[in-house]
Amino acid sequence: GNSVTQMEGPVTLSEEAFLTINCTYTATGYPSLFWYVQYPGEGLQLLLKATKADDKGSNKGFEATYRKETTSFHLEKGSVQVSDSAVYFCALSLQDFNKFYFGSGTKLNVKP
Amino acid sequence: GAVVSQHPSWVICKSGTSVKIECRSLDFQATTMFWYRQFPKQSLMLMATSNEGSKATYEQGVEKDKFLINHASLTLSTLTVTSAHPEDSSFYICSASGGRGSYNEQFFGPGTRLTVL
Repeated sequence: GNSVTQMEGPVTLSEEAFLTINCTYTATGYPSLFWYVQYPGEGLQLLLKATKADDKGSNKGFEATYRKETTSFHLEKGSVQVSDSAVYFCALSLQDFNKFYFGSGTKLNVKP
Repeated sequence: GAVVSQHPSWVICKSGTSVKIECRSLDFQATTMFWYRQFPKQSLMLMATSNEGSKATYEQGVEKDKFLINHASLTLSTLTVTSAHPEDSSFYICSASGGRGSYNEQFFGPGTRLTVL
């Protein structure tokens, strides 16, 4: 089947620390991979995406590389800020069905 | 661009009443819209997929008679929670695709928080 597994949170970091949120997936086809961010009380915003193996998505200092060999799409940021505090969702989408599968979300707390 | 709005952003209703939530694509034509439900501190659960002018496809376990979805135009989909009960209280999020970017990218609305008393 199709599924996304994320590391459980919450993740608590100090400002300027390095961030990694792990994400692995299983898919029956050739998925596109996404990271979405949800700030308190808001909907999801697309953070970055990658549509094929070895692609690197990046935005606002965040990046993730589509690793087909390890079926992973880990999110990284070199120096987090308090404003990065939010819930991060890893997701995959299959072209055939235009359907998304979301991970359970990882809450990030960044302390000043 | 690629903005999706929802209305209302929050609603409180009495048990047994019906509530309608609107989802609009503001600057593109959405051939497909999706409705999700999010429980506190949990992920999004896809409830149904709707294509303009046709009946919605519901995910397993979602009551289609309770959650009525209408996708009457390329810019508007509505979710009606009929005879709402406290267990229907949740955060409902819609998304839309078919406009800009890759065809399988979804653009999410800001969500509607429903509280049933």
